[in-house]
Amino acid sequence: GAVVSQHPSWVICKSGTSVKIECRSLDFQATTMFWYRQFPKQSLMLMATSNEGSKATYEQGVEKDKFLINHASLTLSTLTVTSAHPEDSSFYICSARLRGSWNQPQHFGDGTRLSIL
Amino acid sequence: GQQVMQIPQYQHVQEGEDFTTYCNSSTTLSNIQWYKQRPGGHPVFLIQLVKSGEVKKQKRLTFQFGEAKKNSSLHITATQTTDVGTYFCAGAGGGNKLTFGTGTQLKVEL
Repeated sequence: GAVVSQHPSWVICKSGTSVKIECRSLDFQATTMFWYRQFPKQSLMLMATSNEGSKATYEQGVEKDKFLINHASLTLSTLTVTSAHPEDSSFYICSARLRGSWNQPQHFGDGTRLSIL
Repeated sequence: GQQVMQIPQYQHVQEGEDFTTYCNSSTTLSNIQWYKQRPGGHPVFLIQLVKSGEVKKQKRLTFQFGEAKKNSSLHITATQTTDVGTYFCAGAGGGNKLTFGTGTQLKVEL
């Protein structure tokens, strides 16, 4: 149980393109999903917390107009990297937490490797 | 803000040797979680510790939460090649989010 699906796995696109990444909880409801960014050989940096039916909470230094987050249902959150540039290239990972269990582990998607040319 | 540091950053061991990674938080934690990330993969939850001084074991892995709930450790006995990966601790400060540690990359050589 507690499977999180993230799509796509890989994206290679030109500078200026907007890229949408989907994060789905397949067998549970997640009122809260988290979006992380990870550079090679570094830790996971929380970008934003996505709450179903409300605006996302962004961490300090993360541009909300650059990284648009939508959490339209209890099983789906999307991250859109708008007008992506080479410095946005990274590994983006989402995670989801079981509904009503703020103190429980997060279940991670497989991640999306984004390369901007 | 909350910072979570791990040492060492890298560790190379021979198969069969023991391994320990240490995690230290700048603030008191409500709980601490440990994750393992294989090369090219995503973090996989290993365990959660909640109580002060708590010790939990999973086969060859022993996890400990400090008395002050600001530090933790993961010890692997007799490492195997399947233990290769990066081990992250992640601290919950009482709010909704986790702060991941800097990670310890483990390499196991035959």
